[in-house]
Amino acid sequence: SQLAEENPWALSVHEGESVTVNCSYKTSITALQWYRQKSGEGPAQLILIRSNEREKRNGRLRATLDTSSQSSSLSITATRCEDTAVYFCATDAGGSALGRLHFGAGTQLIVIP
Amino acid sequence: EAAVTQSPRSKVAVTGGKVTLSCHQTNNHDYMYWYRQDTGHGLRLIHYSYVADSTEKGDIPDGYKASRPSQENFSLILELASLSQTAVYFCASSHSGEEQYFGPGTRLTVL
Repeated sequence: SQLAEENPWALSVHEGESVTVNCSYKTSITALQWYRQKSGEGPAQLILIRSNEREKRNGRLRATLDTSSQSSSLSITATRCEDTAVYFCATDAGGSALGRLHFGAGTQLIVIP
Repeated sequence: EAAVTQSPRSKVAVTGGKVTLSCHQTNNHDYMYWYRQDTGHGLRLIHYSYVADSTEKGDIPDGYKASRPSQENFSLILELASLSQTAVYFCASSHSGEEQYFGPGTRLTVL
């Protein structure tokens, strides 16, 4: 079974609206990363949030982390058409496993003009 | 401009044939990774490397070999390609093992 899982599987919003993608994970982590993958491209990191952090922001993006419930969320405000992509959360157990990321299957986000 | 490049971008191989996917990075990163992505799924780690001339097994190494002859280059080798290895393959590099910079991917079709 997967160590990280995003939900919902897919969603669509109109341009300008806000949207939230959730992630649940199953292992102890040192950090959780959010990536975005546009069609035909490789993933690109959006935010890295460490296990001792509760919230991290990057422009219109806001990530939260709750280690007690093993969950994270990524919120995007004022969405744009170019935000259309698949969003992944990826967990990092750190230590000797540093950089061995475990990705979820992703959430497909469509932003409607 | 620092980048991760992959070659070829697309390849069709025959079952039982040998396939080599190449990755080159100009990021001056020590860490490099090979992932595969199947349609509708996330990325799964095949092999990775922390330093030249050394490779480590990831989560799904069976059927794959890796080679890291220099800091800049990391290859993935399929000695006997199988239908189940049809996928998109991504290479990534990282300075510290945290933020990973991905290449554009190689679409491999095994017939």
